Amino acid sequence: DGGITQSPKYLFRKEGQNVTLSCEQNLNHDAMYWYRQDPGQGLRLIYYSQIVNDFQKGDIAEGYSVSREKKESFPLTVTSAQKNPTAFYLCASSYAGTVGANEQFFGPGTRLTVL
Amino acid sequence: GQQLNQSPQSMFIQEGEDVSMNCTSSSIFNTWLWYKQDPGEGPVLLIALYKAGELTSNGRLTAQFGITRKDSFLNISASIPSDVGIYFCAGWIIQGAQKLVFGQGTRLTINP
Repeated sequence: DGGITQSPKYLFRKEGQNVTLSCEQNLNHDAMYWYRQDPGQGLRLIYYSQIVNDFQKGDIAEGYSVSREKKESFPLTVTSAQKNPTAFYLCASSYAGTVGANEQFFGPGTRLTVL
Repeated sequence: GQQLNQSPQSMFIQEGEDVSMNCTSSSIFNTWLWYKQDPGEGPVLLIALYKAGELTSNGRLTAQFGITRKDSFLNISASIPSDVGIYFCAGWIIQGAQKLVFGQGTRLTINP
């Protein structure tokens, strides 16, 4: 089955620790995205990548880092510099570039709680 | 950043009723997407709209791309319990950075 997987589903971390969230897709999509969702709010873009070995900051990139070494994988690291990291994190993917061809498909999400 | 105003924020209806929600913006979009999110899960794409004035259906769901390209609506007919969830609109902005902008969501609750 084609799809997007995120792991783990739930993640707990102590303050001051870095943590990495996994996102893998087998849809052969070029572009991948990370969003943050807080209660009662829409999705806010953290980072996105349209091609391997290249990525751009979104609206709320501070305190986060990413890598795109493989087309299928786009891990997100939440660093200790992120002041309020407790949130629901969503990964998405799509075909890249062409205006109008940007239907994004989402993974099941990872809920990160900082203790 | 650009904002999408989605309304209503929440709806409480009886099973069988029709539902209508909409999104508006001061920006022009070339794509409108409607998603549904169940609690603790990722959003699922319901309908995609690409042309101003386009009206598209997916079962009991109907969505339209506003003629001004600044708004869109989603209708659900004859609601059933599994329609419960949060519905998000998202628009692909023409100007500036190429990215999706999301509305705040409409939480739909259905009384049996």
